[in-house]
Amino acid sequence: DQQVKQNSPSLSVQEGRISILNCDYTNSMFDYFLWYKKYPAEGPTFLISISSIKDKNEDGRFTVFLNKSAKHLSLHIVPSQPGDSAVYFCAFHGSSNTGKLIFGQGTTLQVKP
Amino acid sequence: DTGVSQDPRHKITKRGQNVTFRCDPISEHNRLYWYRQTLGQGPEFLTYFQNEAQLEKSRLLSDRFSAERPKGSFSTLEIQRTEQGDSAMYLCASSPRDTEAFFGQGTRLTVV
Repeated sequence: DQQVKQNSPSLSVQEGRISILNCDYTNSMFDYFLWYKKYPAEGPTFLISISSIKDKNEDGRFTVFLNKSAKHLSLHIVPSQPGDSAVYFCAFHGSSNTGKLIFGQGTTLQVKP
Repeated sequence: DTGVSQDPRHKITKRGQNVTFRCDPISEHNRLYWYRQTLGQGPEFLTYFQNEAQLEKSRLLSDRFSAERPKGSFSTLEIQRTEQGDSAMYLCASSPRDTEAFFGQGTRLTVV
C-alpha cells in the first residue's frame, strides 16, 4: 500500500529554467513534509521541509508548496543548475513523534547545461 | 567531520554468512534510525532508537535482523544467515528531534 507516490520517475530541465517535482500522499495524518536529495553512492541529504500548518516554505532557490486538501506536495527549484542533477525524494512523517520517515520512490532530475 | 558515519561502505558476502554494520550518529543526536534502500525505491524504515531504547521496528525487520545501540551512542545492525534478497543499501540516520533526519553515506551490501 503506497502511502506516498512520486509519479514521475525522471525529469529533464534546461539550466536556468524552473524544475517542479511532485509528490502525492494518501494519509491525512501526515503533519511534517520533507524533501531530500541523493547523489549516487551517497546517503540522502536534507533539503527543505514544511509543517502542515503552512502552505509554502522558501530557502534560496528551493520552495516547497503544500496543498493539504489535494494531499499534494511540490518542490520548485529556480533557477535550476547542473549541480542540482540528482534523485529527489519526498518524505513524510505522521504524528507518532518518532520521526520515522516514509519516502516516495524518487524522481531523477537532470539539469542540462 | 561531524556527520553520520557508517562502516563499512561496501560489503560483499556469501549467502548464509552473518554481517554486521556500524553507525556512528551525530554526537548530540538521541534519535537513531536504520533504513534500507533497494534500486529504484526510496529508503524504507527498519528500526528506531531513542537513546539506547529500541522503540519501533518495521515488519521488514525479520528475525534474522537485529539492531542494538548499547550506550545510546553508536549502533550496530546485524543480519544473520544472509539471503540474496538482503542485497541493498543500508542507511543510518540520526536526529535531535522528530523533524529532519541526517543520513550517513550508507553501507552497500551484496550477497552472492
